[in-house]
Amino acid sequence: AQRVTQPEKLLSVFKGAPVELKCNYSYSGSPELFWYVQYSRQRLQLLLRHISRESIKGFTADLNKGETSFHLKKPFAQEEDSAMYYCALETNAGKSTFGDGTTLTVKP
Amino acid sequence: DAGVTQSPTHLIKTRGQQVTLRCSPKSGHDTVSWYQQALGQGPQFIFQYYEEEERQRGNFPDRFSGHQFPNYSSELNVNALLLGDSALYLCASSRQGWVGYTFGSGTRLTVV
Repeated sequence: AQRVTQPEKLLSVFKGAPVELKCNYSYSGSPELFWYVQYSRQRLQLLLRHISRESIKGFTADLNKGETSFHLKKPFAQEEDSAMYYCALETNAGKSTFGDGTTLTVKP
Repeated sequence: DAGVTQSPTHLIKTRGQQVTLRCSPKSGHDTVSWYQQALGQGPQFIFQYYEEEERQRGNFPDRFSGHQFPNYSSELNVNALLLGDSALYLCASSRQGWVGYTFGSGTRLTVV
C-alpha cells in the first residue's frame, strides 16, 4: 500500500525566513512525487514535480529515496506563499495518494 | 481555455438517492481522475479513466462508478448515498506521462 505523511498540519514562519514543509512516503516501487498548492479561495494547482527537477516560485524539492522523503523548501518565505500545501505520490499505474496537507502562514 | 470544469458546484441529496457529477477536462488532456475530499483531509483517490476505461481504482465501494466519453469528459456516479458520502468531489485531468494534474473547483455534495 502507498502512503503519504505530512507531519505538520500547521507551519508558521516570518517573512524572509527559510521554510521547509515535510513529506514522507511509503511505496515499494518507484513513485513520482508532486507538490500541489491551494491559495485562499482558489483551486488546487500543481506547484512542482520531482521528474522535472524544477524550481517554481523559489520552491525546490529533493527526493531522498533512502529516507523516503520529498520535503519542500524555500530559502526566503514571502507573505504570498501563505497557502495549503499537499504532497502527492503517483504510481506508474496511475494511482495517486495525497497527504493531508500543511497550512503555511508567513507572517509579516 | 477554461481548464477543468465541474458541474454542479453544490448539490444536496437525501440518503439512499443516487447522484451524478460531471467533469470536462482541460483542452488537450485525455485522462480524468476523481477524488473525494473530506474536511481537513487531503484528496482521496476514487478512480482514473483513460481511453474510456477505468485504469485504476482506490479503496472505494462499488457504489462509486464512473464513465468517460469519447470527448474525454467524465461522470462520477454514486448510488445508495450515505451520510458519510458528504464531501467535496474533485475532478482532475492530465495527459499521460506524469505531468501532474489540473484540478477543477469541485462539487460540494451534502447528503441529508
